[in-house]
Amino acid sequence: DIQMTQSPSTLSASLGDRVTITCRASQSISSWMAWYQQKPGKAPKFLIYKASSLESGVPSRFSGSGSGTEFTLTISSLQPDDFATYYCQQYNNYSPTFGQGTKVEIK
Amino acid sequence: EVQLVEFGGDLVQPGRSLRLSCAASGFSFDEYAMHWVRQVPGKGLEWVSGISWNGGSIGYADSVRGRFTISRDNAKNTLYLQMNSLRLEDTALYYCAKVPRPYNDLYYFDYWGQGTLVIVSS
Repeated sequence: DIQMTQSPSTLSASLGDRVTITCRASQSISSWMAWYQQKPGKAPKFLIYKASSLESGVPSRFSGSGSGTEFTLTISSLQPDDFATYYCQQYNNYSPTFGQGTKVEIK
Repeated sequence: EVQLVEFGGDLVQPGRSLRLSCAASGFSFDEYAMHWVRQVPGKGLEWVSGISWNGGSIGYADSVRGRFTISRDNAKNTLYLQMNSLRLEDTALYYCAKVPRPYNDLYYFDYWGQGTLVIVSS
């Protein structure tokens, strides 16, 4: 299986901060990367696919980049609704795997 | 509005079986691949299994292959997961999830249900 490693595991930030989460794949996955947001007690919410394509309805402050083995999710200006856990997920093959998650906390 | 409602989760002893169901509405269920993803409470996400729109293509995680069976009934707009030989490590919240595009064997997910809890314990 392709291993996905997110960093950091926890991130403390203030409203308005620019936040970047990194996800590294154990082998090249081209651009087959998705990102999700999950809040406590809720199902994951789909944010980004194909590394940088924003799902319809997702605020433009969210963006994704990267290819190969290194990817980033950036929130340009952190809003109150953004405090959550974020997961990356590769879908390069028929055995998708997720990162361990990055929790974005209030500083 | 897309809705996915899972049910069937329960407390079950190791070695026993359980069948989960996911009732879908708000979209043309028979056009979309569907998946099961699980999450141990407080932990990360693990893909379990997926099935193509017509059931012709099926995949499983190594951790469940040979014990779990995914299926679908397009006439009933329902996805299933038959779970046999359950182990302690199968304890998790099980989500069903839909893929974004019809007639595609995609392995990422745009809508998720709220999950059904399976607890395997003696």
